[in-house]
Amino acid sequence: GAGVSQSPSNKVTEKGKDVELRCDPISGHTALYWYRQSLGQGLEFLIYFQGNSAPDKSGLPSDRFSAERTGGSVSTLTIQRTQQEDSAVYLCASSLETGGKETQYFGPGTRLLVL
Amino acid sequence: GNSVTQMEGPVTLSEEAFLTINCTYTATGYPSLFWYVQYPGEGLQLLLKATKADDKGSNKGFEATYRKETTSFHLEKGSVQVSDSAVYFCALSGAGSYQLTFGKGTKLSVIP
Repeated sequence: GAGVSQSPSNKVTEKGKDVELRCDPISGHTALYWYRQSLGQGLEFLIYFQGNSAPDKSGLPSDRFSAERTGGSVSTLTIQRTQQEDSAVYLCASSLETGGKETQYFGPGTRLLVL
Repeated sequence: GNSVTQMEGPVTLSEEAFLTINCTYTATGYPSLFWYVQYPGEGLQLLLKATKADDKGSNKGFEATYRKETTSFHLEKGSVQVSDSAVYFCALSGAGSYQLTFGKGTKLSVIP
């Protein structure tokens, strides 16, 4: 079946602009995760959703970052007033349920470049 | 907190050589352990996993054994191929947790 999809695959923006990144999880997966992959920091956890709820937002790097999930499916990660340090690959993953033993399936990522 | 340490490489091997990528972890309780692989230009894919001590995960000729006594989950393959060239990430998920904690990744290049 279809895997996790993300759009856009690449995004170039100017410093100070807002961007929206979209994630479509695997159908039927209740849990959805956002990570960031950058050269300096490696892979960092940002936020996860169980259904439409985000119980833990502590991984978000600043209040310029927000995320929502609607209908227990599609999620959007929004970065307001982008900064150059936001340049990274943003990865979305989904799993059937939450829990340490669950396998997370990753999308191809959105490569964000802030000029 | 949880952490994962893996050899950072890069690692360059000749085809058919033996591969070991070391991974050790720090976590409370009994985490689940994973190896993910990222081929050039592609996303992260699960390679194998183990969810309890002494379990061995295996896939595509790769193996890793969950060793609680040494807090390790080393990745091995007996004979690598050029197509194994990729970046390999060791990761853990704490018991009852939801987020993966990743190592920094090891880039493997296999030359003919």
